[in-house]
Amino acid sequence: KQEVTQIPAALSVPEGENLVLNCSFTDSAIYNLQWFRQDPGKGLTSLLLIQSSQREQTSGRLNASLDKSSGRSTLYIAASQPGDSATYLCAVNQAGTALIFGKGTTLSVSS
Amino acid sequence: DADVTQTPRNRITKTGKRIMLECSQTKGHDRMYWYRQDPGLGLRLIYYSFDVKDINKGEISDGYSVSRQAQAKFSLSLESAIPNQTALYFCATSDTEHSNQPQHFGDGTRLSIL
Repeated sequence: KQEVTQIPAALSVPEGENLVLNCSFTDSAIYNLQWFRQDPGKGLTSLLLIQSSQREQTSGRLNASLDKSSGRSTLYIAASQPGDSATYLCAVNQAGTALIFGKGTTLSVSS
Repeated sequence: DADVTQTPRNRITKTGKRIMLECSQTKGHDRMYWYRQDPGLGLRLIYYSFDVKDINKGEISDGYSVSRQAQAKFSLSLESAIPNQTALYFCATSDTEHSNQPQHFGDGTRLSIL
C-alpha cells in the first residue's frame, strides 16, 4: 500500500529565506506527483505537477523535483514571503486514479 | 465562477440525520472524486467515479454512499450521520483524455455532526 510522508510537519522561517519541503513515498510506480497549497479553512490550489518521466518542474519561485527511484520529491521555495504561509500537501497518483496524500507541512514565514 | 462547486459550504447537523453534499463541475471532466480531510490525517479518498455509470469505493467508504447523476454532478450522502464524520469534505475532478493532468478541487464543505 502506497504511503506518503512529509517532513517536517511544521516549519517557521524569517522572510527571505530559501527553504525545502520534503515528500517521500513507498511505491515508486507512480503516474505523477502533485504539490498543493492549502490556506486555513480553504480548498486546495495546485502548485506543480511532475510527470513520472520528469525530474523537475518550475513555476516562479517554486521548484519541485522528483526522484522516483528513491521515492522522494522536494519543493523548493526561493526568497520566502509572508504570503507563502500555508500548508503544503504532496500527493502521488498511481495508475491515473485517485491521489494519495501526505499529511502536509505547515509553513509560517515571519516578516 | 468556480470550475468545481460544492454545496453547502458549511453544515451543522445532528447525529442520525441524513446529509447530502453536492458537487458540480463545468470543466467537462469525466472523473470525479470525494475526499475527506481530518486534522493531522491529510486527505483520504471516500469514493470515485470515472463515468456516469461507474462508482468505486475508496479507502474509507463505510458510512457513505454516492450518486453520479450526470457527468457534471457527483453527490455524497451520509445515510445516518455520526460525530466521527465531522470533517472537511472535498470534491475533485480530472480528465480521462488527459489523465496525466492535475486534479482540480472544490473549496470544500465543512461538516459538523453534533
